[in-house]
Amino acid sequence: QQPVQSPQAVILREGEDAVINCSSSKALYSVHWYRQKHGEAPVFLMILLKGGEQKGHEKISASFNEKKQQSSLYLTASQLSYSGTYFCGTMNNNAGNMLTFGGGTRLMVKP
Amino acid sequence: DAGITQSPRYKITETGRQVTLMCHQTWSHSYMFWYRQDLGHGLRLIYYSAAADITDKGEVPDGYVVSRSKTENFPLTLESATRSQTSVYFCASSERGSGPYEQYFGPGTRLTVT
Repeated sequence: QQPVQSPQAVILREGEDAVINCSSSKALYSVHWYRQKHGEAPVFLMILLKGGEQKGHEKISASFNEKKQQSSLYLTASQLSYSGTYFCGTMNNNAGNMLTFGGGTRLMVKP
Repeated sequence: DAGITQSPRYKITETGRQVTLMCHQTWSHSYMFWYRQDLGHGLRLIYYSAAADITDKGEVPDGYVVSRSKTENFPLTLESATRSQTSVYFCASSERGSGPYEQYFGPGTRLTVT
């Protein structure tokens, strides 16, 4: 089942912060975050693993609450380049490296 | 060039025709994936492959066929295209191991079925 992302869209001014949430109804092994700019391919941001390990982006952070089966992506001091659609992808186990993606969160950063 | 490429980038075809979308990667990644992206649905997995000659269905496989005779290629065929298959198709690849690993996406193919 597809994870649920919230909010669906957010508009920010440069320098403001945003939080994007991803919730699953199933137990999670890992959560993956991608950003996609209009007309382009999704680009990897980070992976959060069950147990707390985190791999990825320097300026964007995220958390993974295993008990609640939720992940949150934190965008601080947003820049114009942060604009795009953010997708979370979830894995329920470490087999197959298959992801189930959420519907996406559209982020627009204005000057 | 190194990386993952897709061809064609744009394709218009008629209902009922067969069409093949190509995907090629130069990293020798074991895993390859096909997704379709439609407004409101995010990315949905069509088929995936763990290695050459090993493929399996994803979330939305009906109407599609895949093959993987070589590690670097993973073509997707629409046997008889329908209007509902109008979409943007992304191919992706990733390593295989103790994982999980990031997926690298190709540039996409925009397919229109008339």
